[in-house]
Amino acid sequence: DVKVTQSSRYLVKRTGEKVFLECVQDMDHENMFWYRQDPGLGLRLIYFSYDVKMKEKGDIPEGYSVSREKKERFSLILESASTNQTSMYLCASSTPGLGFLEQYFGPGTRLTVT
Amino acid sequence: AQSVAQPEDQVNVAEGNPLTVKCTYSVSGNPYLFWYVQYPNRGLQFLLKYITGDNLVKGSYGFEAEFNKSQTSFHLKKPSALVSDSALYFCAVRDRSSGGGNKLTFGTGTQLKVEL
Repeated sequence: DVKVTQSSRYLVKRTGEKVFLECVQDMDHENMFWYRQDPGLGLRLIYFSYDVKMKEKGDIPEGYSVSREKKERFSLILESASTNQTSMYLCASSTPGLGFLEQYFGPGTRLTVT
Repeated sequence: AQSVAQPEDQVNVAEGNPLTVKCTYSVSGNPYLFWYVQYPNRGLQFLLKYITGDNLVKGSYGFEAEFNKSQTSFHLKKPSALVSDSALYFCAVRDRSSGGGNKLTFGTGTQLKVEL
């Protein structure tokens, strides 16, 4: 089974802190994704990576950055956390292909910024 | 651009009754379509997908979905609902003619509540 793990299930940070969210997958997937999930807004793509050291902006990249130094690990960084970044963050991975391959999701990190 | 709409925030159904969760999409070309389910305090799990061919797609846990190109819809169905089906359901789309990266666009989600 594909396994995607995220470093924390729940996280509480203060405004202005630098926050790191870690994601690790064990299936040698090339593609990795970071989404945020908010009620009424569904999932919105923040960043994705299709190879080590490669990244592309998603739909809402402002206030976030990412790092992918190893194939299995994809980190989301909040440079200076703000209250409007309180959300559920989901990581996903998939193999590349013609676009019809499903993504595998981690359990999510619920981040609260106070 | 690609987009997907789930017009119902919540669907209530009695156990044993058929259920339908609606999804419509918009793409410039032809779509790949997906349904995911999220149980409480869990990540999303893949349910089923439409790639090509038969318009009726069968997936996990007895769910199926019907692709209707003329109505640009991909409604999720199950003949007999279970209380354990209660969860948040997401429809997602990818335009086949879009670039690489396997980027999906998700709907806003529909909360399904199955009651005894």
